[in-house]
Amino acid sequence: DAKTTQPTSMDCAEGRAANLPCNHSTISGNEYVYWYRQIHSQGPQYIIHGLKNNETNEMASLIITEDRKSSTLILPHATLRDTAVYYCIVKSQETSGSRLTFGEGTQLTVNP
Amino acid sequence: EPEVTQTPSHQVTQMGQEVILRCVPISNHLYFYWYRQILGQKVEFLVSFYNNEISEKSEIFDDQFSVERPDGSNFTLKIRSTKLEDSAMYFCASSENRGHGYTFGSGTRLTVV
Repeated sequence: DAKTTQPTSMDCAEGRAANLPCNHSTISGNEYVYWYRQIHSQGPQYIIHGLKNNETNEMASLIITEDRKSSTLILPHATLRDTAVYYCIVKSQETSGSRLTFGEGTQLTVNP
Repeated sequence: EPEVTQTPSHQVTQMGQEVILRCVPISNHLYFYWYRQILGQKVEFLVSFYNNEISEKSEIFDDQFSVERPDGSNFTLKIRSTKLEDSAMYFCASSENRGHGYTFGSGTRLTVV
């Protein structure tokens, strides 16, 4: 699976949009971009995933660049409860076991 | 919203003892996983399980570890002879298929003394 690079930490004001970038320049054609988050030692929580089109669900939006070498997770109106470590993971759906390889992620702190 | 349930939430065991960590995945999910997270470190993949057999395992998942789906609802991780370095949070997860997002449980904190 391709490697991802994320900033170590980011801050965001409550109520504002949080834009979390991820670089995955070695992504291959069959690999999807997944986002998970982990709130203080709880189990990771799935947020969203996509292949090449932008995706939106009730939690977030995922913007993938046309060359697929980077993506941005957008939390449109961040709340204090969104403070967490956010993980960008690239994974092929064709791999038999489909392990998720977690990196260090981005610590997002939402400030009041 | 459906949940993955893990029990116990915290287990303390003596070094060398066997432990069984239990998980109830979401009922219509077909793929099951165990991950662990040592305090302050990354979440690490241990094993994936599909169609009643292991589909992939990591280097961590050695002969001390085993998994089982003893009935239609439970998914267990057994550590045969625990070591101090097995102390970690153990997360169970399940998914409907390989492409869907995984639903993780809230974890079992294993402390080996």
